[in-house]
Amino acid sequence: DIQMTQSPSSLSASVGDRVTITCRASQSISRYLNWYQHKPGKAPKLLIYAASSLQSGVPSKFSGSGSGTDFTLTISSLQPEDSAAYYCQQSYSTPYNFGQGTKVEIK
Amino acid sequence: QVQLQESGPGLVKPSETLSLTCSVSGGSISSSSYYWGWIRQPPGKGLEWIGSVYFSGTTYYNPSLKSRVTVSIGTSKKQFSLRLTSVTATDTAVYYCARERVGADDSFDLWGQGTMVTVSS
Repeated sequence: DIQMTQSPSSLSASVGDRVTITCRASQSISRYLNWYQHKPGKAPKLLIYAASSLQSGVPSKFSGSGSGTDFTLTISSLQPEDSAAYYCQQSYSTPYNFGQGTKVEIK
Repeated sequence: QVQLQESGPGLVKPSETLSLTCSVSGGSISSSSYYWGWIRQPPGKGLEWIGSVYFSGTTYYNPSLKSRVTVSIGTSKKQFSLRLTSVTATDTAVYYCARERVGADDSFDLWGQGTMVTVSS
């Protein structure tokens, strides 16, 4: 199985800050990496697919990069509505494992 | 637009079978563009993919659950289901159904709101 490790597990940042979350795969997954936003009590939402492609309807302040084993999700200007948990997920091979999540809070 | 909605018992006794249904509205479950899957989140923990089914009935499962899981398409073709046998307290979780894109990214692009299932006597 491919293990996914996210860092940090949580962060607190101010409105307007640039925020970066890192995801590392235990082996190369090419660009088969997806990012999700999950707010409490809501359905998770796909933000980025194939490492860097923005899902339709998602604001351009979200961006993704990376390939192989190291990936990043960046929020260019943090807003209060971005307070959520963020998960990476590899879709290179089954089982489709997720990272443990990063909780983003607003200071 | 397409929407997914989970339904089923919120409480299941240990050793019994957990059964959930996902209703698909606003679209066809028979599309060749998608698999239909289940993902769960135990309290305070991360997301775990359980398994997925194609409209043809082809399935694939997480090996950690494979011996206990069945995901199937409903006869109405507007629902798909999850069966998890011999449940224990560790199966307590919010269960989500989701649409999985076939092809270049295999991402889960649409999710249901989730349903909480507690395993307890």
